[in-house]
Amino acid sequence: DAGVTQSPTHLIKTRGQQVTLRCSPKSGHDTVSWYQQALGQGPQFIFQYYEEEERQRGNFPDRFSGHQFPNYSSELNVNALLLGDSALYLCASSSGTRGADTQYFGPGTRLTVL
Amino acid sequence: GESVGLHLPTLSVQEGDNSIINCAYSNSASDYFIWYKQESGKGPQFIIDIRSNMDKRQGQRVTVLLNKTVKHLSLQIAATQPGDSAVYFCAEESNDYKLSFGAGTTVTVRA
Repeated sequence: DAGVTQSPTHLIKTRGQQVTLRCSPKSGHDTVSWYQQALGQGPQFIFQYYEEEERQRGNFPDRFSGHQFPNYSSELNVNALLLGDSALYLCASSSGTRGADTQYFGPGTRLTVL
Repeated sequence: GESVGLHLPTLSVQEGDNSIINCAYSNSASDYFIWYKQESGKGPQFIIDIRSNMDKRQGQRVTVLLNKTVKHLSLQIAATQPGDSAVYFCAEESNDYKLSFGAGTTVTVRA
C-alpha cells in the first residue's frame, strides 16, 4: 500500500516564476492538506482540500492556490515566487468527513527560489 | 531517564534511558493531538495520537500524556535507541481541520 507521494523531490526556481507541486494521497484517503515548512521550524498549514473544494485555509496570500482532482490527488500552485517561499512543501492526506483524523505526510518537495 | 519540565528545543539522551518531550498547546478547543517524528530530509512520521477525552495512551515504547487543565502534552520514549534521534513535533487539531504544530524538539541519542 503506497503512502503519500509527492513530486518533484527538489525544485529550483527564480523570483517571479510560478511553480506547481503534486501530491497523491494514501490509498483510501480523500482529504489532502498542504503545509509549508521553513528550515528549522514546524510545518505551517496552507490549505486543505476535500471533495475537490478548498475547505479551510491558513494565513497564506492568494499567490498560493490549489486544486484537487476526482481521484483525490492534488496540486499546489505558487505564483510570483519570492525568496521567502523557499521551503519544504509537505502534503498530508487523511480520511473522514471531519478533520480530526490522522494526517499522514509525504516526503515533501524542497523548493529553492533564487 | 531525562525529564524536561519546560519545552526545550534540544534534548540529549543516553542510549537506553527514557526520554520525555514536553509540549504546550494554545487552543483550549483542540480535541485531537498528534506526535510526529521528523528525520532529516524526510516528512513528519506519525508516532501516536490522543483525543481530548483521554489522559494517557500507550504505543510501542511510547506513551503520550495529556493534561487539559494546563494545556500540556508530553511524549515519553522508553529505552531510547539511536534510531530515535530526530526532531519531534506535537500538533493540535481543532474543529477547523488544520494541524497547528509546536516548535519541535531535536532529540540526540548518545551511544
